[in-house]
Amino acid sequence: SQTIHQWPATLVQPVGSPLSLECTVEGTSNPNLYWYRQAAGRGLQLLFYSIGIDQISSEVPQNLSASRPQDRQFILSSKKLLLSDSGFYLCAWSLSGSAEQYFGPGTRLTVT
Amino acid sequence: AQKITQTQPGMFVQEKEAVTLDCTYDTSDQSYGLFWYKQPSSGEMIFLIYQGSYDEQNATEGRYSLNFQKARKSANLVISASQLGDSAMYFCAMREVPFQAGTALIFGKGTTLSVSS
Repeated sequence: SQTIHQWPATLVQPVGSPLSLECTVEGTSNPNLYWYRQAAGRGLQLLFYSIGIDQISSEVPQNLSASRPQDRQFILSSKKLLLSDSGFYLCAWSLSGSAEQYFGPGTRLTVT
Repeated sequence: AQKITQTQPGMFVQEKEAVTLDCTYDTSDQSYGLFWYKQPSSGEMIFLIYQGSYDEQNATEGRYSLNFQKARKSANLVISASQLGDSAMYFCAMREVPFQAGTALIFGKGTTLSVSS
């Protein structure tokens, strides 16, 4: 069966510090991968998606970036965090052409 | 543009009772999919049920059923025989068909369900 992992689970970082969040998927090959952000009291907003290694598309302009160095690894990064980057970050995967997206456990980021 | 509206910020129900969570949507797409996700306090988004706009029958998954009324653009979630473990935030979402990677899930703001004994 497929599983999706995210780490860290929680993170507190000062403004201006770098960020690296990691997501890995097991039990499937060539998945579509997604990074979403959930602000407090809101639904999810798609940040990035990837259809393959080194193939990243951004949905919203921001100071975040994403990379996919391996088929089942998706990384969310920032060189300098802003207060507005605080939120709950969720990684998700789906099979190409499939309806459902399956989410990881999420990372709660607080920028102070 | 696609939009999901969930008008109930909070719902309260007793154990073993049924509850309906409302969802209306707006889209100009001819084909689309409608989803419900559950988010417990741990934060993980758990996929519950899916309905395609082209499906004639309402989707069911165990205690979950989706009351799809296309003409009214509504996709309400019905949970039968509520359990204490059903207490969570519930999100309605939609996605354009075909399901290409770049077609994002568009989420509503969610409804908090509280089940009491």
